[in-house]
Amino acid sequence: NAGVTQTPKFQVLKTGQSMTLQCAQDMNHNSMYWYRQDPGMGLRLIYYSASEGTTDKGEVPNGYNVSRLNKREFSLRLESAAPSQTSVYFCASSDWLAGDTQYFGPGTRLTVL
Amino acid sequence: GENVEQHPSTLSVQEGDSAVIKCTYSDSASNYFPWYKQELGKGPQLIIDIRSNVGEKKDQRIAVTLNKTAKHFSLHITETQPEDSAVYFCAKSGYALNFGKGTSLLVTP
Repeated sequence: NAGVTQTPKFQVLKTGQSMTLQCAQDMNHNSMYWYRQDPGMGLRLIYYSASEGTTDKGEVPNGYNVSRLNKREFSLRLESAAPSQTSVYFCASSDWLAGDTQYFGPGTRLTVL
Repeated sequence: GENVEQHPSTLSVQEGDSAVIKCTYSDSASNYFPWYKQELGKGPQLIIDIRSNVGEKKDQRIAVTLNKTAKHFSLHITETQPEDSAVYFCAKSGYALNFGKGTSLLVTP
């Protein structure tokens, strides 16, 4: 039981490049989330998916898109990376049957030059 | 999202002392208040949580108190150990979680 997994662990992009961050969970959770973490800012919600087939914007969605591929997988795409998107990205999952506790992945550290 | 204010931003204690971290919030709808511990290079991990129908919850050296009327909740760590050194985040429920900005706790031997 791996919990929440994220790939890649590290990535360096040039301004304007695109990439997709992958997230998968094996806990059969309905809800999945993408957060970004910047120094002194805590964790801020980018997008979330309350259930398979639905996605909604969070606090800081600009410059990102998401896809809930199936119940297990939730990907985050940067179409044209900008230096302001340099951050650590965390995926999380939860389910009301599990008390709504959010379980986090290990993170992806992204640098945009 | 609705803000969660967390204090202090840094806290240094001697091994064996207690550490207290406080959070306040403004909306009345939240009913779930988790605390996460984040070690360097890792994702946040839940250490304790409390729901609005209780005022206090303990798990060994960790306790959380909630005052819904005053809209604040606190994390108490007793008999601190060097391995408690980490960043701690409070959060409250909404359509997702709203996090405080974190407290960097250092426990010195």
